Amino acid sequence: DQQVKQNSPSLSVQEGRISILNCDYTNSMFDYFLWYKKYPAEGPTFLISISSIKDKNEDGRFTVFLNKSAKHLSLHIVPSQPGDSAVYFCAALAGGTSYGKLTFGQGTILTVHP
Amino acid sequence: IAGITQAPTSQILAAGRRMTLRCTQDMRHNAMYWYRQDLGLGLRLIHYSNTAGTTGKGEVPDGYSVSRANTDDFPLTLASAVPSQTSVYFCASSTGRGDTQYFGPGTRLTVL
Repeated sequence: DQQVKQNSPSLSVQEGRISILNCDYTNSMFDYFLWYKKYPAEGPTFLISISSIKDKNEDGRFTVFLNKSAKHLSLHIVPSQPGDSAVYFCAALAGGTSYGKLTFGQGTILTVHP
Repeated sequence: IAGITQAPTSQILAAGRRMTLRCTQDMRHNAMYWYRQDLGLGLRLIHYSNTAGTTGKGEVPDGYSVSRANTDDFPLTLASAVPSQTSVYFCASSTGRGDTQYFGPGTRLTVL
């Protein structure tokens, strides 16, 4: 039972254009969401996060949008650069007894073409 | 450079053998985690430790054990490896529960 889903295994974008990565979740207890970026042969690195009390968080070229009613979040990268090519994982944290345990999506491979 | 180190980088192991994956962090983080990454499944939590001396089970704990004797080290042991444990294993740490987790470079394990 995949509680965090990234339904697009891959995304290809031209340099300078917008990249939009999507993520859906099913667990209503999730109250904090994160995006991680992973290059080959390296561990994931934290990119940006958003609390469930917000609907948008921005950091430079990266913006995360949260739609709680739809249980959907998305990561926008504008403008996309070739160095952004990596696997992007959506992750979620829940409160209560699950506090601190990250649940990850399957990942989306982003390729930005020069 | 501060961070998380994992050893070995990669390992090929015969089924039935015992194996310990090592993880050390120098950030004095209280919480540590072990994940496995499998194609199409993302990263799944195996075990975690909120502070030295305590451990807990994650999503896929069967076949694995951990210990947390001190703040810095969090080894993961496969008592009797099976082919389904072929995966890439990542150790992570965070200041506390719910805080941003920082990941090590991973260990690629192949069980034949």
